[in-house]
Amino acid sequence: DGGITQSPKYLFRKEGQNVTLSCEQNLNHDAMYWYRQDPGQGLRLIYYSQIVNDFQKGDIAEGYSVSREKKESFPLTVTSAQKNPTAFYLCASSIATTNTGELFFGEGSRLTVL
Amino acid sequence: GQQVMQIPQYQHVQEGEDFTTYCNSSTTLSNIQWYKQRPGGHPVFLIQLVKSGEVKKQKRLTFQFGEAKKNSSLHITATQTTDVGTYFCAGRSGGSNYKLTFGKGTLLTVNP
Repeated sequence: DGGITQSPKYLFRKEGQNVTLSCEQNLNHDAMYWYRQDPGQGLRLIYYSQIVNDFQKGDIAEGYSVSREKKESFPLTVTSAQKNPTAFYLCASSIATTNTGELFFGEGSRLTVL
Repeated sequence: GQQVMQIPQYQHVQEGEDFTTYCNSSTTLSNIQWYKQRPGGHPVFLIQLVKSGEVKKQKRLTFQFGEAKKNSSLHITATQTTDVGTYFCAGRSGGSNYKLTFGKGTLLTVNP
């Protein structure tokens, strides 16, 4: 089945540790995104990538890093510099050939920092 | 930067009642999308509106895009328990092909 796979689904880490969240898609989409969701805050864009080896900061990129070495993969690292990392992280992808593409979301990764 | 406001934040209805959520943008949008997120789930695309004044229907759901392309609404007729979830609008401004700005969502609960 085509889709987006995020892992792990749940993750617990100690304060000060870096964490990498995986996102893989087999939809052949060019564009990929990372959103953060907090209760009552909607979805806020962290980073997005339109094409392999290129990515741009979203609205809340501080304390996060990404890479896009393959079309299928867009991992997100939550660094120790992120002041409030506990959240639900959603990866998404879309066809990048027009400005009307819908987003396809993964099932999310819930990170809890203890 | 672009802001998308959505109201109400919460709405509780009795099954069979109607429900409406409203979305307003600080800037003119090139298009607007609506997503539904079930409790514990991930957002799922519902529909996209592109034209000024556009109205689209999906069974009991009616979506509207304002004439000025700065506001939108989602109306559900005769809610059912399966409608429970958070409904998000997300808008794109002209010139930004990839960046959607999401509203904070409206959480709908339905009492059977």
